[in-house]
Amino acid sequence: QQQVKQSPQSLIVQKGGISIINCAYENTAFDYFPWYQQFPGKGPALLIAIRPDVSEKKEGRFTISFNKSAKQFSLHIMDSQPGDSATYFCAASWDGNQFYFGTGTSLTVIP
Amino acid sequence: SAVISQKPSRDICQRGTSLTIQCQVDSQVTMMFWYRQQPGQSLTLIATANQGSEATYESGFVIDKFPISRPNLTFSTLTVSNMSPEDSSIYLCSVFGIYTEAFFGQGTRLTVV
Repeated sequence: QQQVKQSPQSLIVQKGGISIINCAYENTAFDYFPWYQQFPGKGPALLIAIRPDVSEKKEGRFTISFNKSAKQFSLHIMDSQPGDSATYFCAASWDGNQFYFGTGTSLTVIP
Repeated sequence: SAVISQKPSRDICQRGTSLTIQCQVDSQVTMMFWYRQQPGQSLTLIATANQGSEATYESGFVIDKFPISRPNLTFSTLTVSNMSPEDSSIYLCSVFGIYTEAFFGQGTRLTVV
């Protein structure tokens, strides 16, 4: 059973546009929700993360929106750039335990 | 953040052989994790390695196929044994940071022919 469901599988955005990737989870015990960015040939790198006590977290052009009642969270990339083209994974964990990853979204930002 | 070095970064191996992947961390950590990422897929946890005890394997992964060593708090190895083409994947080492965020090595891209 997929603990974290991610959509869309792929996304194409114009330079300067907003990229939005969504994730949903079932386990209400999850208390940590990170997003990872992975470039080809590299390991995933932590991009931004949120805990359920806040509804939004922003770091530069990257924002996580968190809806606890709906058990959903999303990544928004503002002013998307070609250098943002990568695969993005959402994840969830609780109390320092195992991470559960979404299936990934391949983002392409076209000039 | 933790700095994780994995070796080798890539390898092409003959079926039936074994490959040992090394993971070195720049700080002492209690748990080290090994993941598999099949082409175009998400990350699947293979096992958790604690220093001084047997690794804990996830469903679908067994010690005979993926033996793990954890001789100290900064180092671990994962061996992929008796390889078949289905083992072609990226293998990733991961550790927790001080806020339980996960950090990853650059991965080992394995191709079995």
